[in-house]
Amino acid sequence: QSVLTQPPSASGTPGQRVTISCSGSTSNIGSNTVSWYQQLPGTAPKLLIYSTNQRPSGVPDRFSGSKSGTSASLAISGLQSEDEADYFCAAWDDSLTVVFGGGTKLTVL
Amino acid sequence: VQLVQSGAEVKKPGDSLKISCKGSGYIFPNYWIAWVRQMPGRGLEWMGIIYAGDSETRYSPSFHGQVTLSVDKSINTAYLQWTSLKASDTAFYFCARVDGNAASVYYDNWFDPWGQGTLVSVSS
Repeated sequence: QSVLTQPPSASGTPGQRVTISCSGSTSNIGSNTVSWYQQLPGTAPKLLIYSTNQRPSGVPDRFSGSKSGTSASLAISGLQSEDEADYFCAAWDDSLTVVFGGGTKLTVL
Repeated sequence: VQLVQSGAEVKKPGDSLKISCKGSGYIFPNYWIAWVRQMPGRGLEWMGIIYAGDSETRYSPSFHGQVTLSVDKSINTAYLQWTSLKASDTAFYFCARVDGNAASVYYDNWFDPWGQGTLVSVSS
């Protein structure tokens, strides 16, 4: 059971906008920044969003992150087939540990 | 900036094991390294972090006492070690550089880049 809660699956058609949620508590998302990672099949995770809403260079601006209270969201607009992957949120917790979401498998229909 | 991990391992229960993660393209002693477990078909679990400059460590309570993190900054390499493997240790293990807020590793930090992962298989 992961500390951060994500929906196990999400889907959309090419060109659509999809949002993945990540729910936590006041001890993690509520008091710290959030990062998001994309894991393509058979590969290592890759940083997608840092500091809640910042994109590393090379990540398309179709990806965006936000936070409200104890929940965070990852939005993907203009969905493409290569976006099919697992997505994980993460945050530091007041217990001085990192907590991850259980991951969301995104399917492009 | 790159992290390269050692190759896949096949072990028996009770065996010891040490896997490695070699950093390049940046000043290795200036950063923390995190270790993350991913069991087959499962999500990511944070195991702990080690500061490459002075080997200060912070373990997840779930892994404290089960594994040991270490670093040899002279060869830019971090290690994850078991003294007695169990079948339940079968998983991919990833190392990642902790980047972000230099003032505190516990706030506004993220993992980038990641190593390619090391598959550890434990079976009798």
